[in-house]
Amino acid sequence: SAVISQKPSRDICQRGTSLTIQCQVDSQVTMMFWYRQQPGQSLTLIATANQGSEATYESGFVIDKFPISRPNLTFSTLTVSNMSPEDSSIYLCSVGGRTGELFFGEGSRLTVL
Amino acid sequence: DAKTTQPPSMDCAEGRAANLPCNHSTISGNEYVYWYRQIHSQGPQYIIHGLKNNETNEMASLIITEDRKSSTLILPHATLRDTAVYYCIAHNSGGSNYKLTFGKGTLLTVNP
Repeated sequence: SAVISQKPSRDICQRGTSLTIQCQVDSQVTMMFWYRQQPGQSLTLIATANQGSEATYESGFVIDKFPISRPNLTFSTLTVSNMSPEDSSIYLCSVGGRTGELFFGEGSRLTVL
Repeated sequence: DAKTTQPPSMDCAEGRAANLPCNHSTISGNEYVYWYRQIHSQGPQYIIHGLKNNETNEMASLIITEDRKSSTLILPHATLRDTAVYYCIAHNSGGSNYKLTFGKGTLLTVNP
């Protein structure tokens, strides 16, 4: 399994501002994923963070709103831009294991006022 | 990913076995059954997965029916810390396909 650390663990932000969430993995991984979990809902994949190339976004998510960086094989960031209260969610970083399973960080709980 | 159906909630007494069912009647031959759980305010945790044989690890056992249309996750001796939402996902893990579709899962409440 992989150990995944996310920062911040939680934050309260003002409408219109942006927040960058960091994800650090204790081993090199090819693919990293960012998920969102809105209050009372299940997880939704935002994008796949690819090292050395642009992230691949899922339907309904765009780069301007959720820019992602992947500078190396152990680190990625997700920025939530121009935030609104609808962006209040838990944002989760995950990486793939050797047999198709996913390992998740503890999440970053974002509240937008 | 094939659609999965789980009961929205279940209760279990502490120390007893918790049996969580999952229906995946449209599962294809190359899709595995994965189970995750999410304890409140934490990230999801991988539990176990299987293709057609029953599987067991230190956390749980997975029983898959012979026709693969349903499965059961068994926590042999449930504790209060097993209270969580349990997700069953049918997924083709071939190559670099890690995209999982999470449903609403089953909220298991373990009672003292």
